[in-house]
Amino acid sequence: NAGVTQTPKFRVLKTGQSMTLLCAQDMNHEYMYWYRQDPGMGLRLIHYSVGEGTTAKGEVPDGYNVSRLKKQNFLLGLESAAPSQTSVYFCASSEAGETQYFGPGTRLLVL
Amino acid sequence: GIQVEQSPPDLILQEGANSTLRCNFSDSVNNLQWFHQNPWGQLINLFYIPSGTKQNGRLSATTVATERYSLLYISSSQTTDSGVYFCAVLSGGGADGLTFGKGTHLIIQP
Repeated sequence: NAGVTQTPKFRVLKTGQSMTLLCAQDMNHEYMYWYRQDPGMGLRLIHYSVGEGTTAKGEVPDGYNVSRLKKQNFLLGLESAAPSQTSVYFCASSEAGETQYFGPGTRLLVL
Repeated sequence: GIQVEQSPPDLILQEGANSTLRCNFSDSVNNLQWFHQNPWGQLINLFYIPSGTKQNGRLSATTVATERYSLLYISSSQTTDSGVYFCAVLSGGGADGLTFGKGTHLIIQP
């Protein structure tokens, strides 16, 4: 039981490049989330999903897209990376209103 | 949206000391979690505690939902307790993500 896993762990991009972050969970949770954490701050919600095939915007969605084609996976895409998207990205999963379990994070540096 | 304030922002203690971290929130909540972010950046679940009191070893937490605050107690601190402690809440229907406070940065000195 791996819980929540994230791929990759670390990535460096140039401005304008695109990439996809993958989150996978093996707890059969309905809800999945993407957050970002900037230095000295708590996490902020980017997008979330309440089930397979559904997505919704969070607090800071601009510049990101997401997809939930399978219940266990939640993808976060950056179509044209900007330096402001340098951050640590965390994925989480849960049942409705219950404990959210977080992955180990992906460190992204955009030059 | 809901506001979450944590205090103190920074705390430096000697090994063996006790500490109390506070989390105030501005509206009723369905979920409240405490996390420890260790120096390697990993987020560790400590408590799921929308109300009441829980204990896990040297750590305990109390949430008084009617007064909109939660407390995290750490007793007999160890150097491995160092890191940032976050309080995060979920309000409304339960579909949205957690709203995090800015955290309390705890340093335990040997």
